[in-house]
Amino acid sequence: GNSVTQMEGPVTLSEEAFLTINCTYTATGYPSLFWYVQYPGEGLQLLLKATKADDKGSNKGFEATYRKETTSFHLEKGSVQVSDSAVYFCALSPNSGYALNFGKGTSLLVTP
Amino acid sequence: ETGVTQTPRHLVMGMTNKKSLKCEQHLGHNAMYWYKQSAKKPLELMFVYSLEERVENNSVPSRFSPECPNSSHLFLHLHTLQPEDSALYLCASSQEQGARIGDTQYFGPGTRLTVL
Repeated sequence: GNSVTQMEGPVTLSEEAFLTINCTYTATGYPSLFWYVQYPGEGLQLLLKATKADDKGSNKGFEATYRKETTSFHLEKGSVQVSDSAVYFCALSPNSGYALNFGKGTSLLVTP
Repeated sequence: ETGVTQTPRHLVMGMTNKKSLKCEQHLGHNAMYWYKQSAKKPLELMFVYSLEERVENNSVPSRFSPECPNSSHLFLHLHTLQPEDSALYLCASSQEQGARIGDTQYFGPGTRLTVL
């Protein structure tokens, strides 16, 4: 079946540090890959996505590249801000059906 | 942005109560979803509706009963819940009625449910 594995959190970084949150997946065929972010007290918001191998999704300084050879979609940001503190979810959408398969989420805390 | 609203935002209920969660999407989408978010667990898809017709039900107990009267509204009726049903219930919507690669789901803020 399809599944997503994320690095365990919480991740604590100082402001302006470099961020990497690892995500690997298991799926048949060619799924689409997503990163969602959940700020405290809110629902999930789409951060970025990639629909085919070697695509790079980017938004608000965050980037992730769809690597089929390593089945990965790691999230990176060069310089994090306090406002980036949130929970980040990696997800995949298979070729058929409606379900998004989510990882467990990685909590990020950025300190001044 | 959030074009998906949910009410109430917080709900406390006893195990013998009946309550309903409401979701409304203002995005003109054709598909709507209920998810359950529990601590330390991945989001669990509960129900999917496409053009007001239920298309997926992931083995959810019958004490949860969905209703989709039109493509903009989705309800989750709750009856005789258990304490382990306490969670954040998220509603989402997406554009297409069928499988589509890369179709984005837009989420509401959720209803925090506590069952005593």
